[in-house]
Parts: sequence; structure tokens; C-alpha cells
Amino acid sequence: ETGVTQSPTHLIKTRGQQVTLRCSSQSGHNTVSWYQQALGQGPQFIFQYYREEENGRGNFPPRFSGLQFPNYSSELNVNALELDDSALYLCASSLVSSRREQYFGPGTRLTVT
Amino acid sequence: GESVGLHLPTLSVQEGDNSIINCAYSNSASDYFIWYKQESGKGPQFIIDIRSNMDKRQGQRVTVLLNKTVKHLSLQIAATQPGDSAVYFCAEKGSDTGNQFYFGTGTSLTVIP
Repeated sequence: ETGVTQSPTHLIKTRGQQVTLRCSSQSGHNTVSWYQQALGQGPQFIFQYYREEENGRGNFPPRFSGLQFPNYSSELNVNALELDDSALYLCASSLVSSRREQYFGPGTRLTVT
Repeated sequence: GESVGLHLPTLSVQEGDNSIINCAYSNSASDYFIWYKQESGKGPQFIIDIRSNMDKRQGQRVTVLLNKTVKHLSLQIAATQPGDSAVYFCAEKGSDTGNQFYFGTGTSLTVIP
């Protein structure tokens, strides 16, 4: 166990709806990264939060947004859900944003119908 | 964009044999690499990392080799056990890619008892 927790475990939404996913980082870790993992693929970087600010973003549209709170926990928000948003959403925590190992949570399985 | 790929999508080995999983990357500025293991329904689990100033690093039953000349990374698992069955990903971060890790598509390792 990494100490990184995510909620909910599974979620089913309808196209056009909005969703919020949550992540609690490992104790002592101040950086949270979010990834999208489609079935049979490797994780793709969405963005990273450090000290409550976005600190890097991958190739995802603005309808993917996030927050980090003072306790370093984080939220991923996705607006106007599309069918292709169906995936496993992973968060990973690490210490600062430098080249350090990052530890993943179990993920949230999102299904968009 | 980044290209982090694996030579073989699937690998089957006999229990007790050694396993070698390969990974190619394209960014010559990549300076930090991680190998992850992902079991079904779980988030990626950190196995071992290596920085570009090293060419070999050993852990418990695992060894990572880095060949920067040909941009190749490998993970060796000694005395493979049934519990090693999973999908293995390499991930890399470059000095020119900010905080973004790029993942390969994964190699599925099956250990035959």
C-alpha cells in the first residue's frame, strides 16, 4: 500500500455531465499528479499540482481542471463528459516536483454512457 | 511528442526463470526513469528507478539497466514468481519536459507455474 487514496472507486456518468474525483496524497508528499489510463494503454499525464497551483499540464482540454488543498489533497474535475473520457483516473503523489519517485493510488474507474 | 515504447507487448516465462522486459525511449533529454508494475484493478506500483548518470541499479530481485547511447531501458527480474505476473510500464521524465512523466504502453508478464 502506498498511502495514496482515491474516491470514489467506480463511477458511472452520462455524456455531458460533470464529475469530481478526489485524491489524498501520501503523508509528507506535497505534489499530486493526475493521469488518465485508457484500457490497454499506459497512463497519460493530465496535470500536476504543487503548493496549490498547477505545475505542468499534459495535452488535455480545459474542461479537465483541478485543485489542490492546503493539506495537499487534490481534486480532478471534468466538465461536459464525453464517451472517450471513460478510463481509469490515477493520482500519484511525490515529494516536491523534482525527479523523485511518485506513488500511485488505486485509481477511479469512470464510465461515461 | 514523446515516444516511450516497449519491444514486446506480452512475455511468458517459467516460474524460477529470469525475466527481461525492454523499453525504448526517444527523448535524448530524458534523465530519470521509473519501472512500474500494475496488477489488474490496481494502480501502478513503483518498482525501481534510475537516473541518467547511472547505467545500472539493483533492487530486491530486480535490476534496471540503462543504455543512453541507444536510448534503451530494461528491467530484469530474477527467479520470477507467480506474483510477478502483471503489466510492467517504463516511465521517463526529461529535463525538457517539466514535470511530465511519459509512459510506455506496457508489457504483460505471465509466469507459468
